[in-house]
Amino acid sequence: AQKITQTQPGMFVQEKEAVTLDCTYDTSDPSYGLFWYKQPSSGEMIFLIYQGSYDQQNATEGRYSLNFQKARKSANLVISASQLGDSAMYFCAMREMEYGNKLVFGAGTILRVKS
Amino acid sequence: KAGVTQTPRYLIKTRGQQVTLSCSPISGHRSVSWYQQTPGQGLQFLFEYFSETQRNKGNFPGRFSGRQFSNSRSEMNVSTLELGDSALYLCASSWTIAGVYNEQFFGPGTRLTVL
Repeated sequence: AQKITQTQPGMFVQEKEAVTLDCTYDTSDPSYGLFWYKQPSSGEMIFLIYQGSYDQQNATEGRYSLNFQKARKSANLVISASQLGDSAMYFCAMREMEYGNKLVFGAGTILRVKS
Repeated sequence: KAGVTQTPRYLIKTRGQQVTLSCSPISGHRSVSWYQQTPGQGLQFLFEYFSETQRNKGNFPGRFSGRQFSNSRSEMNVSTLELGDSALYLCASSWTIAGVYNEQFFGPGTRLTVL
């Protein structure tokens, strides 16, 4: 079974609008962390936001917020006020305490921001 | 603070050869992880080193190996290269506090092409 599922291969959003990128995960480890990374065409992975399994509040970092629904095992990324520079591939990843610092990634979602 | 650096950035090899990739983590980071990114398989975990010890290994053949030096710099080696080893190899570092890992910061990657 896939540990991380990103069901949207590609998304379009109008500049200045908000967009939600979906991510569902599967784990039996009670202690885990969820991450979102951005990968522009240059290839470098840029850390965006982190949510721990025991965190009570949804994580936020500037224009990024993580909609964490533990019972549904979903960790959607919300980008508010989209900018042209947000066009990139976005990856959801999970780290389970059982496996130390190993990240398991989803297949990614390509986001295109239209002007 | 300087980011994660990887050398070389691009590499072209032929089948059967071997290759060594280098990664210098962010100063103070003792955990270094390696990932392989291909269009077909996506991002896959290779291994993680912490204080010169391999802590975790992904599902790759023994041709893939790595090591970490006392200054936390890491190398990965691929012997007997195959066409399928063509990929972007990403290195990531993170720091730990009281045994807890923080987020991984990625380098720009080494793009390996096997002919």
